[in-house]
Amino acid sequence: QSALTQPASVSGSPGQSITISCTGTSSDVGYYNLVSWYQQHPGKAPKLMSYEGSKRPSGVSNRFSGSKSGNTASLTISGLQAEDEADYYCCSYAGSSTLVFGRGTKLTVL
Amino acid sequence: QVQLVQSGAEVKKPGASVKVSCKASGYTFTDYYMHWVRQAPGQGLEYMGWINPKNGGTNYVQNFQGRVTLSGDTSIATAYMELSSLRSDDTAVYYCAKDQGQWLPDYWGQGTLVTVSS
Repeated sequence: QSALTQPASVSGSPGQSITISCTGTSSDVGYYNLVSWYQQHPGKAPKLMSYEGSKRPSGVSNRFSGSKSGNTASLTISGLQAEDEADYYCCSYAGSSTLVFGRGTKLTVL
Repeated sequence: QVQLVQSGAEVKKPGASVKVSCKASGYTFTDYYMHWVRQAPGQGLEYMGWINPKNGGTNYVQNFQGRVTLSGDTSIATAYMELSSLRSDDTAVYYCAKDQGQWLPDYWGQGTLVTVSS
């Protein structure tokens, strides 16, 4: 199973919006509405930020929103804040009882 | 509240095995799958497989088949990941992560650093 494709890095200024893409195939992202997004700060465990395309866990800011179109899922962060600077990973169910992760995107808040 | 507490860092020699534990609390251990994911230094997340604590059923991704064994002890609500024939490129932080119920790892352990070095 090949890793999902994410940009290596994105950046934005405080208050701006950014979008991170996650491209898979018609066998994973495109087939199942089971894409999740994780935020990971250095030295910390990943934290769930969005799931099933557009849902948010309790306690996660509504500045984070997920979406999906075809084989590509996206995470949009609006009103960028310094604390949003982290690595972000997408994850999708890939069939055959397995998951696949993206390679990760480093978000820099300028 | 849900908590997953993993065992401490390990240093192993090439060819050895390592067993990492993940103690669950705050929910019914047997109700949800447990995933295992690793992250090599400076690299991304790599999925390893899952265990169903209720019946011990497991599934491993191809890259780890034959070297990884996932197990659980329901009496102490603890999941285990054992990796054998360790190589230097197995040096990584290993995470357990509880499944929410729809192929969604929601809560994660703090991670266990396994260093393989001669």
